[in-house]
Amino acid sequence: RKEVEQDPGPFNVPEGATVAFNCTYSNSASQSFFWYRQDCRKEPKLLMSVYSSGNEDGRFTAQLNRASQYISLLIRDSKLSDSATYLCVVNRRGGADGLTFGKGTHLIIQP
Amino acid sequence: DAGVIQSPRHEVTEMGQEVTLRCKPISGHNSLFWYRQTMMRGLELLIYFNNNVPIDDSGMPEDRFSAKMPNASFSTLKIQPSEPRDSAVYFCASNRGWEKLFFGSGTQLSVL
Repeated sequence: RKEVEQDPGPFNVPEGATVAFNCTYSNSASQSFFWYRQDCRKEPKLLMSVYSSGNEDGRFTAQLNRASQYISLLIRDSKLSDSATYLCVVNRRGGADGLTFGKGTHLIIQP
Repeated sequence: DAGVIQSPRHEVTEMGQEVTLRCKPISGHNSLFWYRQTMMRGLELLIYFNNNVPIDDSGMPEDRFSAKMPNASFSTLKIQPSEPRDSAVYFCASNRGWEKLFFGSGTQLSVL
């Protein structure tokens, strides 16, 4: 089983719709979790951290299920500008050197 | 405030040639990371430095790859000799302590 697994997509979603995707991780001792966003031919950028109780940032909601070892990202009222690749990131230990990146889920918002 | 600066943005070279990628981390950041991204393998950590000292180079694929950080504001990743399978996007990233990671714009390397 891969350390971090994501459905590569692409997810084609009409503008205004709600879209959700999951990511599973194999190391039950993983300590922290993140979603990064990567635009085409650009660098990854931190979108949001994922907390045990779940957290929301505007139209974005992230949740963590430690028992089933997955995290999720929900995007409400999707915008054209949300089109990007979303990378699931798991930290198996404290420092940034412990980050393991998923290969990403490609999201396309269609007008 | 300038972000992580990488050069060159694009590099096209022939198999067997030496390639040197450069990175200037954000001022005040004490950790620097080199990543490689391909479609097949995603984003992989090659090596990371803390306070200019290499801490973990277990991700470096083979002896053809080497990295240095002579001071807090500069790092290089060298491939000698380069091979077509080294073609990828190479990202440099930096952070301070436990703060979030900032990536440079990357170097698109093509080895013919």
